[in-house]
Amino acid sequence: EAGVAQSPRYKIIEKRQSVAFWCNPISGHATLYWYQQILGQGPKLLIQFQNNGVVDDSQLPKDRFSAERLKGVDSTLKIQPAKLEDSAVYLCASSLLEFYNEQFFGPGTRLTVL
Amino acid sequence: SQQGEEDPQALSIQEGENATMNCSYKTSINNLQWYRQNSGRGLVHLILIRSNEREKHSGRLRVTLDTSKKSSSLLITASRAADTASYFCATDLYGNKLVFGAGTILRVKS
Repeated sequence: EAGVAQSPRYKIIEKRQSVAFWCNPISGHATLYWYQQILGQGPKLLIQFQNNGVVDDSQLPKDRFSAERLKGVDSTLKIQPAKLEDSAVYLCASSLLEFYNEQFFGPGTRLTVL
Repeated sequence: SQQGEEDPQALSIQEGENATMNCSYKTSINNLQWYRQNSGRGLVHLILIRSNEREKHSGRLRVTLDTSKKSSSLLITASRAADTASYFCATDLYGNKLVFGAGTILRVKS
């Protein structure tokens, strides 16, 4: 089966610019996650969707970050405006069920903010 | 805040040796998962152990869980150069919301 797809793989922007990331989860996976992974750290959950509804966005900096999952399939994560500390790898993951099961990760988007 | 803390932060061994990584966490969990991340790649799920399980095996991997000590260990037997990667434990507190540790960097020398 095809894995989780993400694009772009790399993005370099100036601070205060906007950027958007796209994710296509594994077909049939109802739950989708966005993580931020800063160099040298483990991934940190930003937002979790169940179908097209938000389950958890407690760690999403809502003043600059937004995410949506229209029609319960693809998702986009946007940062506007970007700050230097947003430089990180943004990982998308999906899982078949909402509870007690493994997550499948995409390759990530490496964002550099200058 | 990070729930799981891996130990050691880095580990370097020879091919064929066993590698053991430990994870400690702070609060009660539903399950604990181990993931591998090769350089520049996404994470790959290795094994999930539920809170009522004590040990689980998958190929050359052995995971133990001690809920009384709030700790888990990952053992990779007969390591290979291809096992070189970062290994993360992730605790599932509720609703499949995973909290990852900072990871252990494993280097297997051939």
